[in-house]
Amino acid sequence: SQQGEEDPQALSIQEGENATMNCSYKTSINNLQWYRQNSGRGLVHLILIRSNEREKHSGRLRVTLDTSKKSSSLLITASRAADTASYFCAPTSSGNTPLVFGKGTRLSVIA
Amino acid sequence: NAGVTQTPKFQVLKTGQSMTLQCAQDMNHEYMSWYRQDPGMGLRLIHYSVGAGITDQGEVPNGYNVSRSTTEDFPLRLLSAAPSQTSVYFCASSYTDLRRHYGYTFGSGTRLTVV
Repeated sequence: SQQGEEDPQALSIQEGENATMNCSYKTSINNLQWYRQNSGRGLVHLILIRSNEREKHSGRLRVTLDTSKKSSSLLITASRAADTASYFCAPTSSGNTPLVFGKGTRLSVIA
Repeated sequence: NAGVTQTPKFQVLKTGQSMTLQCAQDMNHEYMSWYRQDPGMGLRLIHYSVGAGITDQGEVPNGYNVSRSTTEDFPLRLLSAAPSQTSVYFCASSYTDLRRHYGYTFGSGTRLTVV
């Protein structure tokens, strides 16, 4: 298993702005997943991008993957106060190895 | 579907007591795992299982036991609770076949306080 490292550690933006957070990892992957955690709650799976994909969209979320640079980015467009949460990336090599999480990016969206 | 169900949601233990945190899933997922999350921190892996009868240790296994007698259930046992085990515990499950894999499903957590 390998751990993704999210950057920045904290991000504060105004409502309506876009938020971008990045993830780096060390070894080759099968897929990379992004999760959101609202305060005191369990993680919620947002999006999964496979190693043969470069970009994926889901609603206001856009995820890119650059396997040559071993990095991914998560873009949240037109952010809302409800997007305030911690965001975690999880690079995955196989289904039998556990996800290891970093400290995440804490996003604050100010109304 | 209920997804991943964790019980109890809250628990207060005295130092030295034992207890079992329950985790059940109804999605026929082969993979299940337990994490703990301390304030301001990310999740740390305690134990995981890739199928019934198979378990393995994660990053912080000391003081915890697990077993996986069925696909649905993955209980976490605290043998002799210590204040350092005060934390929020999350259970998660997924398919192991990456062709079917769509991410992990997490439970809502058990908030444990050891006094």
